[in-house]
Amino acid sequence: SSELTQDPAVSVALGQTVRITCRGDSLKNYHASWYQQRPGQAPVLVIYGEDSRPSGIPDRFSGSRSGNTASLTITGAQAEDEADYHCSSRDNSGIGVVFGGGTKLTVL
Amino acid sequence: QVQLQESGPGQVKPSQTLSLTCTVSGDSISSGFYYWTWIRQRPGKGLEWIGYTFQSGTTGYNPSLKSRVTISQDTSKNQFYLKLTSVTSADTAVYFCAREVLQFFDFWGQGALVTVSS
Repeated sequence: SSELTQDPAVSVALGQTVRITCRGDSLKNYHASWYQQRPGQAPVLVIYGEDSRPSGIPDRFSGSRSGNTASLTITGAQAEDEADYHCSSRDNSGIGVVFGGGTKLTVL
Repeated sequence: QVQLQESGPGQVKPSQTLSLTCTVSGDSISSGFYYWTWIRQRPGKGLEWIGYTFQSGTTGYNPSLKSRVTISQDTSKNQFYLKLTSVTSADTAVYFCAREVLQFFDFWGQGALVTVSS
């Protein structure tokens, strides 16, 4: 099986830049995607294909990868960005999907 | 706009079968481009992929749940279904249905809380 590891919590000052990371062997072979989840709501796709943004997602959200680590960067964090962020990728079998444990982002 | 909506009982007794329906609008589950997927989130935890149904009823399951899970579809109703047998309190979760394309999930249902309790 595959695992993706995320830091449980990260904080950022309003207007500053924050990077949320996701580590796992499957990321060497498969693209990461990222989801924002506010309390009581369904996840929303913010990054797919490692560094692409769906329409409607602000350009302050960006994605990247280096080796087995994918990153979600928020440049100029806003209060409304406070949420849980989940990464995912195809698992090593190439069939299933694996998620990270999620990172709770606090905007100070 | 694609919309997905979960429905089903909010409470299931231990050892019984959890059954949920996902109704899709704005797209056809028989189109052949997407994996129609179930994902769950236990209280205070991360997301867990359960499995999918694809064109012609092909399925794929999380190995950790495979012995208890069945995902099926009814293209005439544009619905797909989740059955999870022999549930325990560890299966208490919010269950989401979602559309997967190219390894990512672009549309999600709002989620359905299912509590396993006697």
